[in-house]
Amino acid sequence: ETGVTQTPRHLVMGMTNKKSLKCEQHLGHNAMYWYKQSAKKPLELMFVYNFKEQTENNSVPSRFSPECPNSSHLFLHLHTLQPEDSALYLCASSQHSSGTVETQYFGPGTRLLVL
Amino acid sequence: GQQLNQSPQSMFIQEGEDVSMNCTSSSIFNTWLWYKQDPGEGPVLLIALYKAGELTSNGRLTAQFGITRKDSFLNISASIPSDVGIYFCAGRNNAGNMLTFGGGTRLMVKP
Repeated sequence: ETGVTQTPRHLVMGMTNKKSLKCEQHLGHNAMYWYKQSAKKPLELMFVYNFKEQTENNSVPSRFSPECPNSSHLFLHLHTLQPEDSALYLCASSQHSSGTVETQYFGPGTRLLVL
Repeated sequence: GQQLNQSPQSMFIQEGEDVSMNCTSSSIFNTWLWYKQDPGEGPVLLIALYKAGELTSNGRLTAQFGITRKDSFLNISASIPSDVGIYFCAGRNNAGNMLTFGGGTRLMVKP
């Protein structure tokens, strides 16, 4: 148990569906992240939120839409996805402050299959 | 962009053997992290390294932050079946709080 939870753990959706992934961290951190993990590829950073503000969008298609209502919750809204979007989506959190280093703690991930 | 080369990509060893894996980069990092990922789970932090030359242990695991700040090593001594999984290195430089991940080393242990 890392203090970062994700729901659902598994999701199957059609290309016309709209769904949302949820992440919650119980560590008091102020930064949250979405990563995509595909087979045989390194972890790909998608979005970074610092103090609820999006600070990074790593050229992610607009069919992925993040939302960070507060520093403990992070959502990833999905619509009109493609089969190649099937992957493990990982959420992470860290305590970010200027001039210090921090480590990221990961949730268990949501295994997404797009049909 | 930055890349981390992690090797080997996979290892199949006998229980009780020692394991070594490493990550190298063309860029300097100020932090090196090692994670382990079990099937169907997210990566779990094993060891964090913050200074060049630092050597840190966590049970049977030992990791080192290379002097050049461009590499890091992870050693596992006396491997056991539950060591099976994918091990990832990650590096962080001064450019914000973003991590760059290696491609992972898949470890398989034969009882």
